[in-house]
Amino acid sequence: NAGVTQTPKFQVLKTGQSMTLQCAQDMNHEYMSWYRQDPGMGLRLIHYSVGAGITDQGEVPNGYNVSRSTTEDFPLRLLSAAPSQTSVYFCASSYDAGGRDTQYFGPGTRLTVL
Amino acid sequence: SQELEQSPQSLIVQEGKNLTINCTSSKTLYGLYWYKQKYGEGLIFLMMLQKGGEEKSHEKITAKLDEKKQQSSLHITASQPSHAGIYLCGAESDSNYQLIWGAGTKLIIKP
Repeated sequence: NAGVTQTPKFQVLKTGQSMTLQCAQDMNHEYMSWYRQDPGMGLRLIHYSVGAGITDQGEVPNGYNVSRSTTEDFPLRLLSAAPSQTSVYFCASSYDAGGRDTQYFGPGTRLTVL
Repeated sequence: SQELEQSPQSLIVQEGKNLTINCTSSKTLYGLYWYKQKYGEGLIFLMMLQKGGEEKSHEKITAKLDEKKQQSSLHITASQPSHAGIYLCGAESDSNYQLIWGAGTKLIIKP
């Protein structure tokens, strides 16, 4: 099993550009989520999904969109990048649909917005 | 809303020494997770605690959950360079489907 994979590993954007961060898991997990990690602030939940076709907002959803058309994939879209979105983004998945279970994390995407 | 506070924020320890990291919640703790992160990498699951008084160990790392204090501690015995990294605690919040996280404790091991 590859576990949770994320692409790209690094990305530099200009303000106003859009892009999609890819996340995939091959463990047949129902729950998937996106976090951002900023210095001194820990992980903050952006969006999550409890199954294909079902998504919901987390703590910091503004400026981001998600969709879940398959169990395996959970892409995160930045609509119009802003410098405040410079961060490290982690995708995670867990077997339990409620997310109350061990979370498996991807290696992260380091995004810089100029 | 529930918050998790980790202490200390950073820690420098001589190799071979013991150390403790704490994670304190502003509300009742139901499920508490400990993860380790190395720079530039994702988070690796260490342990999950679910019941007050529960204690789990893996190699030289022991985690405990004190329900009354709303706190969990992570203890490393005879620290090694491989223990260096950032340790994060996460907890099941009172919001369904969402975990909350501490800001992390950065551990440096001096040889």
